[in-house]
Amino acid sequence: ELKVEQNPLFLSMQEGKNYTIYCNYSTTSDRLYWYRQDPGKSLESLFVLLSNGAVKQEGRLMASLDTKARLSTLHITAAVHDLSATYFCAVDVPNSGYALNFGKGTSLLVTP
Amino acid sequence: GAVVSQHPSRVICKSGTSVKIECRSLDFQATTMFWYRQFPKQSLMLMATSNEGSKATYEQGVEKDKFLINHASLTLSTLTVTSAHPEDSSFYICSAGVDTQYFGPGTRLTVL
Repeated sequence: ELKVEQNPLFLSMQEGKNYTIYCNYSTTSDRLYWYRQDPGKSLESLFVLLSNGAVKQEGRLMASLDTKARLSTLHITAAVHDLSATYFCAVDVPNSGYALNFGKGTSLLVTP
Repeated sequence: GAVVSQHPSRVICKSGTSVKIECRSLDFQATTMFWYRQFPKQSLMLMATSNEGSKATYEQGVEKDKFLINHASLTLSTLTVTSAHPEDSSFYICSAGVDTQYFGPGTRLTVL
């Protein structure tokens, strides 16, 4: 059974601080996705990581992928309130085309 | 990026009625679309894969006779929740795309 585990599930951090969200998955996957979801909204694509060692950065967010360790990280640098949201990682469901299996999500709250 | 739309965005219905949700890919063709369900404060769970011109494939535990899926064209998939009950109340999200999945804005279904 394909499992995708995120931690932490809840994160409260002060503005200006740095933190990392971790995503572990149980089966081989060469691709990993990060999405953001605001309350009551759908998913916004943040990153698609396509190979081992891939690193992508957008603003204060940086994502990396280690396929050997089956681990991806989403690093937040100098957090600001606008980053408050729920962040999901996901991997491809094997032999399904492009269906995704999601982690439980990390609910991030950035406080002043 | 590509755009996926859903209609309606919200629907409230009485128990026992059927509700149809549309998912459209606006600027690309999609032979495959995916339907997810998200309960409050939870992650997205894949319900089914919608295949243009053929039967949908359903995930384990999803009743195919209750959640009817039709993918009549390369840009439209519909999900019909038949004889809806309060436990079907949820946020339904579709996705489509290649390499990266683009998610529709979601449909919030409330069954009274």
